[in-house]
Formats: sequence, C-alpha cells, structure tokens
Amino acid sequence: LAKTTQPISMDSYEGQEVNITCSHNNIATNDYITWYQQFPSQGPRFIIQGYKTKVTNEVASLFIPADRKSSTLSLPRVSLSDTAVYYCLVGDIGNTGGFKTIFGAGTRLFVKA
Amino acid sequence: EAGVTQFPSHSVIEKGQTVTLRCDPISGHDNLYWYRRVMGKEIKFLLHFVKESKQDESGMPNNRFLAERTGGTYSTLKVQPAELEDSGVYFCASSRLLAGRTGELFFGEGSRLTVL
Repeated sequence: LAKTTQPISMDSYEGQEVNITCSHNNIATNDYITWYQQFPSQGPRFIIQGYKTKVTNEVASLFIPADRKSSTLSLPRVSLSDTAVYYCLVGDIGNTGGFKTIFGAGTRLFVKA
Repeated sequence: EAGVTQFPSHSVIEKGQTVTLRCDPISGHDNLYWYRRVMGKEIKFLLHFVKESKQDESGMPNNRFLAERTGGTYSTLKVQPAELEDSGVYFCASSRLLAGRTGELFFGEGSRLTVL
C-alpha cells in the first residue's frame, strides 16, 4: 500500500483558494487517489477521487500529474466551515468495490476570518 | 437514505470488562469496514467484511477483538477483556459491492471507547 506524505497543517483566510499537496512516490498502477475530510467528532467524509489528470466536482478539484507521484486537492474560496483535517489516501480499488486504506496523519486546515 | 450508524457513541468501561460496539451500514452496502484511532495516532484499518464473510482481518490487533456480521447486515465488534490501550474511537464504514471507480466509503460518526 502506497504511503502518503502531507503537510501537517495549513492556515488560510476565508475566500481564498487552498491547495493541499500529497506525495505518494510508490503509487502502484492500479491505485486510485482519494481525499477525505474529517470534522471533530465525526467520521471521515469523501471529497473526491481520481486516477490521473484532473477531476472536478461541486466541492473540489483534484490535480494529478502524469507521473502520479503526487496529487493536489484544491478547495476554491474556502469558508470557516472548511476548517477540518484532510486525508489523502492511495489504494487499489478491486473488483469487489472495496479496498484497504491507510490514513496518514492528514493535513489540518484552519480557515480564519 | 440513512447513513452509517454506530452505537454507542461513547462507552466508558473498566479494564477487564467487555464492550460490544455495533455498526449499521447503509442499506444495500455489502462492504463493511472497521477502523480505529487510538489516542494521538492515525486511523488504522481493522477488518473488512463482504456481506457476512471476513475478507481481510489483518488489522485486528489481537484475539481480544472479535468482529461479526451475521446475515450480512449489521456488524458488532467485541472487545473482551478490554485493556487500557484499547481506548480510542472506533469507526465503521460501508460501501457498495460493485462501486465501480467511485471507491467512496461512507463513515459513521464513530464510537468512543474509554477504558479506565
């Protein structure tokens, strides 16, 4: 299972774009990159997932370079409610639809007014 | 659609006692996972059910932990006897059997276990 490295913490201000980069140098061919968000006293919540290039949904964008050894989660115009821990996970999604995941330490994002 | 529910939300027991945590996955989700975060550490995988079968239990720390999923619906995680180092938050997650490429796990809010 690919190990991931993320910044421990980041600070931002409301309305700014936030980019959180994750390194996964030993990502395997079948691995997908998934980001989760976690608020205190809650379970992690899925944000976005991708394999290569760029993926965008209503919440965020995910940029993955050609070598796939890193990925960047982009949160447009953050608000105070985006203060949370963000986890980058890398794993193989098998045919069963499930995969064994490894949560790293995550990135604690603090959004200030 | 109801989300993943876990019970109890918080349990306080003494060392040597038994605790059973319950997880009700989203209806129709065949994959069910248990994770835990012990104090100050990362969230760790414990085991994975596909329906009622244990697909992978490599993360179970020792034989004091027993997970079941009778009938492929809800799951229980029993800790017997509980030790101090078992304190932490136990998360349950579920996903569809054939998720395609979404790979989305739906997590419950966790059960906090405190062993005194």
